[in-house]
Amino acid sequence: DGGITQSPKYLFRKEGQNVTLSCEQNLNHDAMYWYRQDPGQGLRLIYYSQIVNDFQKGDIAEGYSVSREKKESFPLTVTSAQKNPTAFYLCASSIRGLGGEAFFGQGTRLTVV
Amino acid sequence: GENVEQHPSTLSVQEGDSAVIKCTYSDSASNYFPWYKQELGKRPQLIIDIRSNVGEKKDQRIAVTLNKTAKHFSLHITETQPEDSAVYFCALDQEGSQGNLIFGKGTKLSVKP
Repeated sequence: DGGITQSPKYLFRKEGQNVTLSCEQNLNHDAMYWYRQDPGQGLRLIYYSQIVNDFQKGDIAEGYSVSREKKESFPLTVTSAQKNPTAFYLCASSIRGLGGEAFFGQGTRLTVV
Repeated sequence: GENVEQHPSTLSVQEGDSAVIKCTYSDSASNYFPWYKQELGKRPQLIIDIRSNVGEKKDQRIAVTLNKTAKHFSLHITETQPEDSAVYFCALDQEGSQGNLIFGKGTKLSVKP
């Protein structure tokens, strides 16, 4: 099913807590990405990683952190510093380099309660 | 940074009619222009893409046209069907980003039977 898996599908967090979203891919892709989707806002890039042990901030990185210890895994932590974390989060991967199709996970819907 | 303007934000057509969605951009160095379809509650999936050395590409009922001089590209869907109802996103590769895709804000297409 696309080779990229996000978990969990739904996640609830109390205010002030950190929470980690999982993203795993078995496509042997070098590049991985995290996007946030809000109604009417399209997909906004949070963080991306082109190779293991390296990652870069996207357009809306504040309040988020990532790690890339393995090629297959790119977890995203939503910290308490993120003021408006309720959103739909999408992970994607692609072959490194320009002009490659991005394959998306099924997404995680995070709700702060 | 690069900006992608997508219009319209919503589009309603009768079954069998054509639908056209247009995106404009500012970075003349972009070379890859994909279109993604996202059905309700599902992940975005690539439906068609075009590269800068091609002006038009067609795949059955969908086609994409690219005008690099005017910096716009469009998605054309002919003989629309109810199952075409979804949110469509245009995207392009961001110069110097090694493959990062910048997305438009999406167009919600509704095909009425």
